[in-house]
Amino acid sequence: NAGVMQNPRHLVRRRGQEARLRCSPMKGHSHVYWYRQLPEEGLKFMVYLQKENIIDESGMPKERFSAEFPKEGPSILRIQQVVRGDSAAYFCASSTQGQASYEQYFGPGTRLTVT
Amino acid sequence: AQRVTQPEKLLSVFKGAPVELKCNYSYSGSPELFWYVQYSRQRLQLLLRHISRESIKGFTADLNKGETSFHLKKPFAQEEDSAMYYCALTSGTYKYIFGTGTRLKVLA
Repeated sequence: NAGVMQNPRHLVRRRGQEARLRCSPMKGHSHVYWYRQLPEEGLKFMVYLQKENIIDESGMPKERFSAEFPKEGPSILRIQQVVRGDSAAYFCASSTQGQASYEQYFGPGTRLTVT
Repeated sequence: AQRVTQPEKLLSVFKGAPVELKCNYSYSGSPELFWYVQYSRQRLQLLLRHISRESIKGFTADLNKGETSFHLKKPFAQEEDSAMYYCALTSGTYKYIFGTGTRLKVLA
C-alpha cells in the first residue's frame, strides 16, 4: 500500500490563476480530509468528503475554494483566482471511517506558492 | 473556543537527556488528544493517542484534565527523535485541531 498520494508536491501559480491539488487516498479508504497549513501555524481543517459527497466544508473559505471526490479518481481541491494569501502547504488525509477513533493517514502535502 | 497550544517552537536537548514537549488545550467537553510526528522528509504520522495509554518509541503522554495538558515525555532522548511534533485534539469526530508544532532537536 503506497499510502496517501498527493500531487503535485510543489505548485507555483501567479495571482489570478487556478490551482488544482490532487489526493489519492489509501486503498480501501473512502473518507478524505483536506487541511491547510499557513506559515508558522498548525494544520487547519478545511473539508471532509466521502465518495461523491461533501460531508463537512465548514473550514473552507466561502469563495474561490471547492473540493470534490468523484466516484472514480482522486479527490481534487480547487482554488480559483489564487492570491498571495493562499500560499501554504495543503495536506490530504484518509481513513476507513469518519470518526476520531479511526486513524487519519496523511499524504506528503502540496506546497502552493503564489507569486 | 477549541484550541491547542504548543508554547515552544523549538526545543533542543542533548542525547540521553529527558524530553518534555508541552501541549495545553482549551475545550469544554471531553476531548480526544493525539500526538503526531513528522520526521525529516516524511509525512505526518500518528505517534500516540491518550485513549490507548501506550508508550511508543519510549514516548508517553498523560492527559491532565485539571491542567488541560497533554505533555509528551521521554526519559532519554535519542538523535532519531529529532522531528516536528504536533499535538491535536478532536471532540470525538473526524475534525482535528492541531497546535503549531514544536521542533525537537536532539544534539549529539
